Amino acid sequence: DAKTTQPTSMDCAEGRAANLPCNHSTISGNEYVYWYRQIHSQGPQYIIHGLKNNETNEMASLIITEDRKSSTLILPHATLRDTAVYYCIVSSGRDSSYKLIFGSGTRLLVRP
Amino acid sequence: DTGVSQNPRHKITKRGQNVTVRCDPISEHNRLYWYRQTLGQGPEFLTYFQNEAQLEKSRLLSDRFSAERPKGSFSTLEIQRTEQGDSAMYLCASSLIRNEQYFGPGTRLTVT
Repeated sequence: DAKTTQPTSMDCAEGRAANLPCNHSTISGNEYVYWYRQIHSQGPQYIIHGLKNNETNEMASLIITEDRKSSTLILPHATLRDTAVYYCIVSSGRDSSYKLIFGSGTRLLVRP
Repeated sequence: DTGVSQNPRHKITKRGQNVTVRCDPISEHNRLYWYRQTLGQGPEFLTYFQNEAQLEKSRLLSDRFSAERPKGSFSTLEIQRTEQGDSAMYLCASSLIRNEQYFGPGTRLTVT
């Protein structure tokens, strides 16, 4: 499975956009980029996923570069409740398991 | 639908005892995954089921661990002869095939 690289930690001001980068330079054609987050002591929460095109839902936007080697998760108006660890995961169906291989993630701190 | 539930939420047991944790997935989801998370790390894949069939087990799942999903509904994870190294958060997730996974709140196991 492809590996991802994320910054260990980031911070942003409440109300501003949070842009979380992820590198996945070894991604292959059938592999999706998933984003999950984990608020302290809770189970991971699905945010968004994409293959090639940019995606947007009620929580966030996902921008995937044309070569698919990197992506950015955008939280358009961060709130204090968005403070969490954010995981970028590349998941393929090659073996049909679609299991998630988590890295260490990015710890996002939203400042008041 | 109330999402994925796990019971108990917390379990303290003495070394050498057997422990069973339960996961109730989202009702129409045919995939069920177990992960383990230790302090400061991302979740690690343990095993998954499609309906009642256990299709993959990680090398992390020693012989002391067994998981079942009778009738393709709820699942149990049993740990026999617990060791202090088994102390972790045990997370369950469910999904439809090829879709995003939804996680439960986890069972925090402490082995003393």
